[in-house]
Amino acid sequence: DAGITQSPRHKVTETGTPVTLRCHQTENHRYMYWYRQDPGHGLRLIHYSYGVKDTDKGEVSDGYSVSRSKTEDFLLTLESATSSQTSVYFCAIALAGSYTDTQYFGPGTRLTVL
Amino acid sequence: AQKITQTQPGMFVQEKEAVTLDCTYDTSDPSYGLFWYKQPSSGEMIFLIYQGSYDQQNATEGRYSLNFQKARKSANLVISASQLGDSAMYFCAMREGRFGNEKLTFGTGTRLTIIP
Repeated sequence: DAGITQSPRHKVTETGTPVTLRCHQTENHRYMYWYRQDPGHGLRLIHYSYGVKDTDKGEVSDGYSVSRSKTEDFLLTLESATSSQTSVYFCAIALAGSYTDTQYFGPGTRLTVL
Repeated sequence: AQKITQTQPGMFVQEKEAVTLDCTYDTSDPSYGLFWYKQPSSGEMIFLIYQGSYDQQNATEGRYSLNFQKARKSANLVISASQLGDSAMYFCAMREGRFGNEKLTFGTGTRLTIIP
């Protein structure tokens, strides 16, 4: 158990509404990540953070923003949800940014945009 | 070009047999790590095993081992004595050592079904 929780676990929303997903960790890890999982694509990185208020884009960042005001919380916001953002969202943490460092994943959030 | 390729969308294996899940990768970076994750039907991503590009020996974790063939750029997962609980999706992933490249790159996965 890597001490990661995600909330909500399930959400159904309508196109055009804002949505915020929360990732919370208890291990004080510096690095946090948001991925989305879609059939046929594996997991793809949306945004990541390498410290409080330090964030950067991943490969599928369009339509998403993030914030990290505390070490333990990493928020993912869909400013205006679209049906293409229907997906399962995973948060992950890592102790360091090295290629040797394992990323551990939260339980996931299933988001449906109608 | 795909960075991680898993060519077996699905596999059926008899219980107690060994199973090999294929993974090939593509990178020009000499420093990289290879990871395998298991995703059961409940949906969570479970870390199984890691292999570093400079490691001389194949990684092992209990019933899991990683058959690392650097020249062929392959990192196959071997599960010995398969169990019903091994039925799941399995993802191979890579993390490269270039500065600022923080992400894991995933393959599309292999769905393993263990037959009693």
